[in-house]
Amino acid sequence: EADIYQTPRYLVIGTGKKITLECSQTMGHDKMYWYQQDPGMELHLIHYSYGVNSTEKGDLSSESTVSRIRTEHFPLTLESARPSHTSQYLCASSGRGISYEQYFGPGTRLTVT
Amino acid sequence: GQQVMQIPQYQHVQEGEDFTTYCNSSTTLSNIQWYKQRPGGHPVFLIQLVKSGEVKKQKRLTFQFGEAKKNSSLHITATQTTDVGTYFCAPVGASKLTFGTGTRLQVTL
Repeated sequence: EADIYQTPRYLVIGTGKKITLECSQTMGHDKMYWYQQDPGMELHLIHYSYGVNSTEKGDLSSESTVSRIRTEHFPLTLESARPSHTSQYLCASSGRGISYEQYFGPGTRLTVT
Repeated sequence: GQQVMQIPQYQHVQEGEDFTTYCNSSTTLSNIQWYKQRPGGHPVFLIQLVKSGEVKKQKRLTFQFGEAKKNSSLHITATQTTDVGTYFCAPVGASKLTFGTGTRLQVTL
């Protein structure tokens, strides 16, 4: 089982609140990713990182931001949550090289009321 | 950008029947990975295909990469209830994966 953790697992929050979704991995992986997935739907890449101080936007436009100050930590922040942000957020990591398999965390299911 | 379609979107089979999902790309792929996501779970890596025409087997699962490297398939022989979930193909791009639309498999006794 991969060592990648996400907190919280579930979050219900009101519109306008600032939230940070945490993601940590203990595998020493350089690459980390954030995906957004609605129930039963495909995964959309919203952010990724090649290493410390490296962040890139993914294919799906997102109002969230990320940071990578430490190798093991890749938090995602929403400055002002809206109902349209309601979704599942999955964090993943992989070793050197894009061809390496991705290990996924359990996900954070976010509901914005 | 790269577009990846999977068919079918959904399939419901009786236990013991075979199942196949197809992944089609508009562009030639370098490598392709396959993932399985159980209901309520997260995607789990199954396999990676690299060579044109490659065929790999994992017990009852057979993975193929097309000769032109534009399509791939996953075939499950004699499905079991443990096979329930959504299967995603994920072509490997220059810097990231692009997940396909997924095929949801339901297996009943």
